Amino acid sequence: QVQLVQSGTEVKKPGASVRVSCKASGYTFTSYYIHWVRQAPGQGLEWMGTLNPSGGTTTYAQKLQGRVTMTRDTSTGTVYMELSSLRSEDTAIYYCARGGQEMASAFDIWGQGTMVTVSS
Amino acid sequence: DIQVTQSPSSLSTSLGDRVTITCRASQSISTYLNWYQQKPGEAPKLLIYAASSLQSGVPSRFSGSGSGTDFTLTISSLQPEDFAIYFCQQSYSTLYTFGQGTKLEIK
Repeated sequence: QVQLVQSGTEVKKPGASVRVSCKASGYTFTSYYIHWVRQAPGQGLEWMGTLNPSGGTTTYAQKLQGRVTMTRDTSTGTVYMELSSLRSEDTAIYYCARGGQEMASAFDIWGQGTMVTVSS
Repeated sequence: DIQVTQSPSSLSTSLGDRVTITCRASQSISTYLNWYQQKPGEAPKLLIYAASSLQSGVPSRFSGSGSGTDFTLTISSLQPEDFAIYFCQQSYSTLYTFGQGTKLEIK
């Protein structure tokens, strides 16, 4: 079945970087956009950025520009999200989600989420 | 960025009630409006896409309507499994934005 499986819980110190992976299966990896969305404890959903697995092109939220990098490995069907210069406000659950074959599509399949805690 | 404002932020309701949640965009977004349900400890789940299209497998008691700037999600008769948080999202701009969420609580 179509699914996205994410890597496990991370605990990082302020100033460090974190890399979260998202492995896709059950569909043609290069045919659907992948988005990253985060959710701080008890808060709403925040879109972080989008990757086109076909060409590797990316679009990032302005507030994260310079700190976030999204890449993919087409040989394994895996997308990576790296966030650098971590601060306490980055403590959140990070989700990857599949978009459509067009950028304007909804996010129909979500990963299980990866908890990232930033604490000294 | 396009802002999306959801209301109400919370709603105390009873089983069998008809519930309506609204979402307003800061500019016209045609029908590029999606609705998600999130239960505690789970990832969001797509319910409605393109304002009014029901995602496969979602019960027909859920429906969506609207275009331009004003949208609604309606649950025709609340079931126990519907008590959750609901988010709207605009996908007109690829700088996607979500509403703040509406929490449905049992009265």
